[in-house]
Amino acid sequence: DIQMTQSPSAISASIGDRVTITCRASQGITNSLVWFQQKPGKVPKRLVFAASSLQSGVPSRFSGSGSGTEFTLTISSLQPEDFATYHCLQHHSYPWTFGQGTKVEIK
Amino acid sequence: QVQLVQSGAEMKMPGASVRVSCKASGYTLTNYGISWVRQAPGQGLEWTGWIDPFNGNTMYPPKLQGRVTMTTDTSTSTAYLELRSLRSDDTAVYYCARGLGTTTMLEYWGQGTLVTVSS
Repeated sequence: DIQMTQSPSAISASIGDRVTITCRASQGITNSLVWFQQKPGKVPKRLVFAASSLQSGVPSRFSGSGSGTEFTLTISSLQPEDFATYHCLQHHSYPWTFGQGTKVEIK
Repeated sequence: QVQLVQSGAEMKMPGASVRVSCKASGYTLTNYGISWVRQAPGQGLEWTGWIDPFNGNTMYPPKLQGRVTMTTDTSTSTAYLELRSLRSDDTAVYYCARGLGTTTMLEYWGQGTLVTVSS
């Protein structure tokens, strides 16, 4: 199985901060990576697909990059509604695997 | 608009089976695959398989192989997840989500169904 390692597992940040979350794959997955945002008790919401394509309707402060084994999700200026847990998913090889999640908390 | 509406919460004894439904509306079920993802309390997301409603093809993770079956009923635009021989570590919220292609991957999600396995 491909292991997806997210870092950090949690981050405390302030409004307006630039936040970067990394997802590292144990082997190459080309660009078969999706980022989701999940708020407590809510359904995951897709933010980025194909590693760097922004989902329609998602604010442009979110961006994804990377290919192969290292991927990043960047929030350029953190807003109050961005405090949530972020998950990455690889769908290059079976079984598809998620990272363990990164919780973005208020500093 | 695209909607996936799942069946209600279930409580089951260990060893029992559960079937969760996911009714699609706003699009033609056979045009997109359906994945199922689960989330144990306080834990991350876990992919539990997919089904292509067009041809019935399925793919399951090895850890669930033999206990999970995914089906669809195109006449009612509904996808089903059946999990057998339930164990306490199957306790989770189960989500259905639409899309298997690169651009459509898990774009739309159902509201989730809590399955609790407890004696």
